[in-house]
Formats: sequence, structure tokens, C-alpha cells
Amino acid sequence: AQSVTQLGSHVSVSEGALVLLRCNYSSSVPPYLFWYVQYPNQGLQLLLKYTTGATLVKGINGFEAEFKKSETSFHLTKPSAHMSDAAEYFCAVGAPRAGSYQLTFGKGTKLSVIP
Amino acid sequence: DSGVTQTPKHLITATGQRVTLRCSPRSGDLSVYWYQQSLDQGLQFLIQYYNGEERAKGNILERFSAQQFPDLHSELNLSSLELGDSALYFCASSVDQGREQYFGPGTRLTVT
Repeated sequence: AQSVTQLGSHVSVSEGALVLLRCNYSSSVPPYLFWYVQYPNQGLQLLLKYTTGATLVKGINGFEAEFKKSETSFHLTKPSAHMSDAAEYFCAVGAPRAGSYQLTFGKGTKLSVIP
Repeated sequence: DSGVTQTPKHLITATGQRVTLRCSPRSGDLSVYWYQQSLDQGLQFLIQYYNGEERAKGNILERFSAQQFPDLHSELNLSSLELGDSALYFCASSVDQGREQYFGPGTRLTVT
């Protein structure tokens, strides 16, 4: 079974500051990991994904995440926050289960950007 | 735009009623997933279909059912609705039982 813990349901940063959203996972098999973003009244949009290979993954809108197996973490970062980054971010872990392939999502972190 | 479409966008209905939510996956995607998003429960996986067959069930109530048709669109049927069923319902699709899922814009269901 897999699970995801996102530390901090709300994170506030100043415009131009570093964004760091934390995600820890547990999985009984090598996981695939994802970050999604949800803007108000919209669906989830894929930001980036880790499957295999390079542990530092770059995504859209300047975001990146690093898979650290020893720490079971997949934290999302962006060097400089922009007002348009204000949204809710979801970390997800994927693994095969009972003939299917399912994603398990964290509870989300709402990012506020202060001008 | 993810390429996944959902209708209707909003739905307001009364307790005890039955509604049907519709989803069209991205062109070429065989797998469809349904999720419920509410403030207290977060994003919960309901059910998955792959090429017309049910593949996995999550936290789906017995009052809820789904199907995937030969043209690969899917419908989620919610019956005997309760106030607690008010939520956002998302459909997602993937090309196979692969890794990333692409989400539709959702249907906001309000039960009064």
C-alpha cells in the first residue's frame, strides 16, 4: 500500500522568495511520483513526474522536484515565487495494485504568494 | 486544456435524487478514473475503467456506479443523493494503465 504526507496545509511566501512544498511518501514498491497543481475552480494540472532515472525532475512554470529514496521524499521547489503560483498543490504516488495502477494523493498544500 | 471534458460543469439537485455525470477522455486514452474532492475528505479515488472494463474500486459508495462505453466515454451515476455527496467530481484519463493521469475540469455537485 502507498500513502502520501504533505507537510503544511498552508504555505505563504513573498513574491520572489523560494517556494518549498514538502512531500513524503511510503510505498511497498518503487514508486512513481507526481506533483499536480489546482487553480481555483479548475481541475488538476500535471506539474511534473518522476518515474525512473534522473532524480531531479524539472516541470512546467519553473518548478522542480528531487526524488530522495533514502528520505522517502519528493519536495517541490521553485527559486522565485510569482503571484500566479498561488494555487493548491498535490503530491501523488503511483504504484500497481491488484491488476490496476492507482494514484494516491496527499491532502494538498495551499500556496499563498504575498506581494 | 487537458483534453478531458466533463459535463455538466455545475449540478444542483435535491436529496434522494439521481444524477449522471459524463466524462470524455483524451483522444487515445483507454483508462478513465473518477475522483471525489471534498473539503473534509480531500481527493478520493472512486473507480477506474480500462477499455470498457472495471479495473479498480476505491472508496465508492454502493449508491454510486459507473460505466465506460465502447466509444470510451464514461458516466458516473449517483443515486439516493445525500447532503454529504455535495462535492467536486473529477474524471481523469491515461493512455493505458500508466503513470500520469490527466484531469478534466470537474463537475460541482450541490445537493440541497
